[in-house]
Amino acid sequence: RKEVEQDPGPFNVPEGATVAFNCTYSNSASQSFFWYRQDCRKEPKLLMSVYSSGNEDGRFTAQLNRASQYISLLIRDSKLSDSATYLCVVSRRALTFGSGTRLQVQP
Amino acid sequence: GAVVSQHPSRVICKSGTSVKIECRSLDFQATTMFWYRQFPKQSLMLMATSNEGSKATYEQGVEKDKFLINHASLTLSTLTVTSAHPEDSSFYICSAPPGGAGFEQFFGPGTRLTVL
Repeated sequence: RKEVEQDPGPFNVPEGATVAFNCTYSNSASQSFFWYRQDCRKEPKLLMSVYSSGNEDGRFTAQLNRASQYISLLIRDSKLSDSATYLCVVSRRALTFGSGTRLQVQP
Repeated sequence: GAVVSQHPSRVICKSGTSVKIECRSLDFQATTMFWYRQFPKQSLMLMATSNEGSKATYEQGVEKDKFLINHASLTLSTLTVTSAHPEDSSFYICSAPPGGAGFEQFFGPGTRLTVL
């Protein structure tokens, strides 16, 4: 079983749609949680950290459920520029990446 | 935000040659840096942890004699792929955590290695 599991997608959504990504992790000792975004053939870039209290950054909302070892990302009002692969990441020391969920926002 | 540079961005080499990749933290010091590898359509996989002033720690299945890591200073780590073969062709990315290991990390732009 992978340490971080994600639905690979792709998610094909129209502009303006709301889309939700889910992720589960297996190591209960994980300390930090993130969502990264990776564009094709580029390095990952931090989208946002994830906290149990939930956090929001503009159109993006992330949530962590430690009891269920479950992380989510909600994107509202999708833009074409949101098209990318979204990586669920957990950390004890180094980062452990999920395989990513590909999002394609269509006009 | 913090900046991590990586050089070269792309390298094509013949089988059997060695390739050195540099990773620098430009505006912070990093006692720890991480090296990842990403094959097409796969996620990033941690190869090794580079520790300033001590030996690198390698993940299971990564040959330490093939992937030599040197953390020469608080801002520079190098990865040398020795006697490269076509199966070593991949996207190599380094990262460094400005806040220390376990916290968010900033990534270099990556090095795309193609071994002919």
